Amino acid sequence: DVQMTQSPSSLSASVGDRVTITCRASQTINSYLNWYQQKPGKAPKVLIYSASSLQSGVPSRFSGSGSGTDFTLTVSDLQPEDFATYYCQQSYTTPLTFGGGTKVEIK
Amino acid sequence: QLQLQESGPGLVKPSETLSLTCTVSGGSVSSSTYYWSWVRQPPGKGLDWIGTIYHNGGTYYNPSLQSRLTISVDTSKNQFSLKLRSVTAADTAVYYCARRRTETLTDYMDVWGKGTTVTVSS
Repeated sequence: DVQMTQSPSSLSASVGDRVTITCRASQTINSYLNWYQQKPGKAPKVLIYSASSLQSGVPSRFSGSGSGTDFTLTVSDLQPEDFATYYCQQSYTTPLTFGGGTKVEIK
Repeated sequence: QLQLQESGPGLVKPSETLSLTCTVSGGSVSSSTYYWSWVRQPPGKGLDWIGTIYHNGGTYYNPSLQSRLTISVDTSKNQFSLKLRSVTAADTAVYYCARRRTETLTDYMDVWGKGTTVTVSS
């Protein structure tokens, strides 16, 4: 299985901050990397697919980059509604696997 | 607008079979463009992919569950289903169904159900 390692596992930030979350795959996954946001009691919502493509309807303050094994999700100008848990997920090979999550909390 | 809705018992006894159905509305489960997946989330933990079924009935299962798992599709009802046999407390989770969108160099779950909580307990 491809192991997905996210860091940090949690972070505290303020409204207006720029936040960066990293995700590392245990083997190359090309650009088959997706980012999801999950709020408490809600289903995950895709933000970024194929490493850097913004899903329709997602604010442009979210961006993704990377290829191969190292990937980044950046949220510029953090907004109150962005406080949530973020997961990366590889779709290069089955079983599909997720990172452990990064909880973004209000400082 | 495509919507997915999970349904099934919220409580299952240990060693019994967990059965869930996902009803697709606003779209067709027969579409060759999309695949249909199950994902679960144990309490307080992260997301785990369970498996995927294609419109033609082809399946991919998580090897960790494969021996206990069956995913099927009913095109006449526009539904797909999950059966997990011989459950234990470790199968307690929120279960989500999701549409998996696959195109050239693209593969992600773009529409999700709201999730249903399943507790395994006697």
